[in-house]
Amino acid sequence: KAGVTQTPRYLIKTRGQQVTLSCSPISGHRSVSWYQQTPGQGLQFLFEYFSETQRNKGNFPGRFSGRQFSNSRSEMNVSTLELGDSALYLCASSPRLAGGPLGDTQYFGPGTRLTVL
Amino acid sequence: GEDVEQSLFLSVREGDSSVINCTYTDSSSTYLYWYKQEPGAGLQLLTYIFSNMDMKQDQRLTVLLNKKDKHLSLRIADTQTGDSAIYFCAETAGRRALTFGSGTRLQVQP
Repeated sequence: KAGVTQTPRYLIKTRGQQVTLSCSPISGHRSVSWYQQTPGQGLQFLFEYFSETQRNKGNFPGRFSGRQFSNSRSEMNVSTLELGDSALYLCASSPRLAGGPLGDTQYFGPGTRLTVL
Repeated sequence: GEDVEQSLFLSVREGDSSVINCTYTDSSSTYLYWYKQEPGAGLQLLTYIFSNMDMKQDQRLTVLLNKKDKHLSLRIADTQTGDSAIYFCAETAGRRALTFGSGTRLQVQP
């Protein structure tokens, strides 16, 4: 089975712009989670989508949003970019069945490295 | 809130065993994971353990869980230079998202 894929792998944007990142989960996985990784804050949970619905949300401002499509592919959007948004954005998919624990094993993609200038 | 702590750095010689430690605060944690991250890459799931287990062995990897002390460890037998990476401990319970430690950088010297 193909793993989790994320596009693009690298992005450079300037402050004030917006960006959309894409994630394709492992075939058959219905849950997609997004994480932000920075040297200062480590790995932080952004949100999780399951069957096109946001099931869980981390402590990030409303500039960070996401969605999931009927084929389980997910996108996350960051509007009005700030320098502090520079990070590695990781997507993870899980076969989690409805009502099951979020801890059902998550498999990560290679990430999208976003640099905000 | 939930917290996971790891030491930042571990250096071992090739062929030795490595032991990476992790402590967590949430006594309701039910799933505990070890992930590996190589430079420029995403997270690779190494192994996991459920809270009702004390130990899990998977080839060169041994996970020990002391639920009373909320302590998790990952032992890598016969450590190789290819094991050099950052290792993350993570935990979750119920519908809560994964909480990660800050990562332990393992350096394997030839």
